[in-house]
Amino acid sequence: GDSVTQMEGPVTLSEEAFLTINCTYTATGYPSLFWYVQYPGEGLQLLLKATKADDKGSNKGFEATYRKETTSFHLEKGSVQVSDSAVYFCALSPSNAGKSTFGDGTTLTVKP
Amino acid sequence: EAGVAQSPRYKIIEKRQSVAFWCNPISGHATLYWYQQILGQGPKLLIQFQNNGVVDDSQLPKDRFSAERLKGVDSTLKIQPAKLEDSAVYLCASSPGTSVYEQYFGPGTRLTVT
Repeated sequence: GDSVTQMEGPVTLSEEAFLTINCTYTATGYPSLFWYVQYPGEGLQLLLKATKADDKGSNKGFEATYRKETTSFHLEKGSVQVSDSAVYFCALSPSNAGKSTFGDGTTLTVKP
Repeated sequence: EAGVAQSPRYKIIEKRQSVAFWCNPISGHATLYWYQQILGQGPKLLIQFQNNGVVDDSQLPKDRFSAERLKGVDSTLKIQPAKLEDSAVYLCASSPGTSVYEQYFGPGTRLTVT
């Protein structure tokens, strides 16, 4: 079945540091890929998405590129802020269904 | 645009008791999902509705969990009887059902079973 593997956390960075959170997936066909973010005390919200190979999703300074050859969708940000502290989830949805499979999340803490 | 609403936000019950959660999706969203999120894990799909029909309930423990979506709008998820391992956050999400299934999540209900 489908699966998503994220780098284990927690990740602690200083403000303005570079962020990478690794995500790899296993799926048949051509799934859509997503990053969701969960801020403290809030529900999950979509951060960015990519629907086909080589697509780059971007939002709020975050980027991720759909790499089919390496089955990866790594999340990056050039300069993190304290307000980016949250739990980040990588997810996929099969091309023919809405059901999403989520990774276990990576907790990011950014210190001033 | 109003988001996905869920209630209650918190619930504490004893094992073997029953509990029900309510979800109101974003207006016009045809697809509704219930997820279980255990602490330290990602959300796991319990059931997916398309309008008022079930699309996927393969991971729903049907001996104790039930869900319905009357009139294709609101939905309720029930657990009866609850077990200790049911302690989790129950998330409701909806999507418009277009070709890219990005989902919009509610704040969740945190259930503690003692």
